[in-house]
Amino acid sequence: GDSVTQMEGPVTLSEEAFLTINCTYTATGYPSLFWYVQYPGEGLQLLLKATKADDKGSNKGFEATYRKETTSFHLEKGSVQVSDSAVYFCALVQAAGNKLTFGGGTRVLVKP
Amino acid sequence: GAGVSQTPSNKVTEKGKYVELRCDPISGHTALYWYRQSLGQGPEFLIYFQGTGAADDSGLPNDRFFAVRPEGSVSTLKIQRTERGDSAVYLCASSFQGARETQYFGPGTRLLVL
Repeated sequence: GDSVTQMEGPVTLSEEAFLTINCTYTATGYPSLFWYVQYPGEGLQLLLKATKADDKGSNKGFEATYRKETTSFHLEKGSVQVSDSAVYFCALVQAAGNKLTFGGGTRVLVKP
Repeated sequence: GAGVSQTPSNKVTEKGKYVELRCDPISGHTALYWYRQSLGQGPEFLIYFQGTGAADDSGLPNDRFFAVRPEGSVSTLKIQRTERGDSAVYLCASSFQGARETQYFGPGTRLLVL
């Protein structure tokens, strides 16, 4: 079945540091790929998505590129802020699928 | 506009009891999903509704779990004979039509079975 693997946290960074969270997936066909974020005390919300190979999703300074050849969708941000402290989830939906399949989540803590 | 809402926000029950968890999706969204999130893990799919019908219930762990959406809007997740292992956060999400669109999540119901 489909699966998503992302790097374990917690990831602790200083403000303005570069952030990368690795995400790889196993799926047949051409899934859509997503990054969701869960800020402290809040619900899951979509951060960005990509629907086909080589697409780049971007939002709030975060970027991720759909790499079919490496089955990856790594999340990056060039300069993090304290407000980026959250849990980040990589996820996929199959082309004809009915559900999101999530990775285990990566907790990110940004210190001032 | 209003987002997805879930009630109650917290539920504490005893082993063997019956519980109902409610989800109000975004108005006009035909697709509704239930997920379960255990501590330190990603959400896991339970069931998907398209309109009033359960189009995919492959994630329900056993027959103690059941969900309905009788009028194509509000949904209720029902758990019979609760077990301690059912303790988790139950998340509801909705999307306009299908799973490849943005799913909007509610705040979740935290269920604790003692």
